[in-house]
Amino acid sequence: TQLLEQSPQFLSIQEGENLTVYCNSSSVFSSLQWYRQEPGEGPVLLVTVVTGGEVKKLKRLTFQFGDARKDSSLHITAAQPGDTGLYLCAGDLRSSGTYKYIFGTGTRLKVLA
Amino acid sequence: ETGVTQTPRHLVMGMTNKKSLKCEQHLGHNAMYWYKQSAKKPLELMFVYNFKEQTENNSVPSRFSPECPNSSHLFLHLHTLQPEDSALYLCASSHARAGSLATNEKLFFGSGTQLSVL
Repeated sequence: TQLLEQSPQFLSIQEGENLTVYCNSSSVFSSLQWYRQEPGEGPVLLVTVVTGGEVKKLKRLTFQFGDARKDSSLHITAAQPGDTGLYLCAGDLRSSGTYKYIFGTGTRLKVLA
Repeated sequence: ETGVTQTPRHLVMGMTNKKSLKCEQHLGHNAMYWYKQSAKKPLELMFVYNFKEQTENNSVPSRFSPECPNSSHLFLHLHTLQPEDSALYLCASSHARAGSLATNEKLFFGSGTQLSVL
């Protein structure tokens, strides 16, 4: 059972377009991170969100944590080819009395020039 | 540069070979991890070490053998692997063990070792 589902799984868009990637769970997370992984490299942390309803901006990227801390979204404005990569959400999930750090299924983004 | 270095970057091995992957972190972190990343699959946690002690083994086959001689170094010894073990193997570190007490820890990853088993 995958506890962190991301959608869409794949996304191919033209440079300049906007897009939103979603990370959903039926469980509550104490915090959630977004990572970007470029081909041939490991994931690199973009942001951490902690409070329900929190919105964080990183240049053209806007991250939101759901009010109930069960979901998150990543919105990219005016996408550029440099945004191409695999976007992963991850977080601390409390399950059966223990905490686990788990990763989402990933969204593979390709931005065409 | 994330402060986590993995070697080699690429490895091709036969099913009867024995090889080792190496990971070194220069961040002063106490926790280190091995993850497996296959095409079309989410990141799979393999092992977690905290202060050199193994705290998690996610039902990994015994042909994968981790070693953590100190908090800065982590190895993954490989022997008699199968072709389905071909994947990107990622090492990561964090200050405290992620997922232990909802510490809001973040992981720092190396660039990975792309392993092909023939």
